[in-house]
Amino acid sequence: DTAVSQTPKYLVTQMGNDKSIKCEQNLGHDTMYWYKQDSKKFLKIMFSYNNKELIINETVPNRFSPKSPDKAHLNLHINSLELGDSAVYFCASSPYSGTNTGELFFGEGSRLTVL
Amino acid sequence: GQSLEQPSEVTAVEGAIVQINCTYQTSGFYGLSWYQQHDGGAPTFLSYNALDGLEETGRFSSFLSRSDSYGYLLLQELQMKDSASYFCAVSGGSYIPTFGRGTSLIVHP
Repeated sequence: DTAVSQTPKYLVTQMGNDKSIKCEQNLGHDTMYWYKQDSKKFLKIMFSYNNKELIINETVPNRFSPKSPDKAHLNLHINSLELGDSAVYFCASSPYSGTNTGELFFGEGSRLTVL
Repeated sequence: GQSLEQPSEVTAVEGAIVQINCTYQTSGFYGLSWYQQHDGGAPTFLSYNALDGLEETGRFSSFLSRSDSYGYLLLQELQMKDSASYFCAVSGGSYIPTFGRGTSLIVHP
């Protein structure tokens, strides 16, 4: 069983479209995250979310929005896609927001290509 | 805010020992983590240091000096499969790990 799963794995779309990436974790963790990894492999936090609080990286454009229907799911919705949004998006989870092990469990990533 | 510095690339030969350094700046500190990522794969957790000193896990060890805002990952008995990117990540005041830009480790035969 995959602990953190993301769909789709690959996504190719046109500029201006709206798309979503889904993430599910079966680890019973309280906190989930979205990271963006660019072509230079820089991993940048976008959002952190638990059942109490959403923390947004202030540099993330408001075209990006996280949606969490329940504790096990954190989806990423992107409006009006731009070329610069092309990247690999990683979902991750940890046991609780005050994690004391520093360990994040990552999904396999979703490679988004905007044409 | 938080920032981390680590070398962009390190090369070594099989069987050797290599050290990847990481310096950080953060307001509030809970710990320093290390992750490995192979090309096309997901980052996987290697180690975490919350207190000063050395943590050993098999061939990999990680060190932290909070007073120097410095840590390193030590890889011993290098194998070809260790060729990957290695990231340090600092957990600061918000607990959310902030990652460095990664070090590409190339292991030669």
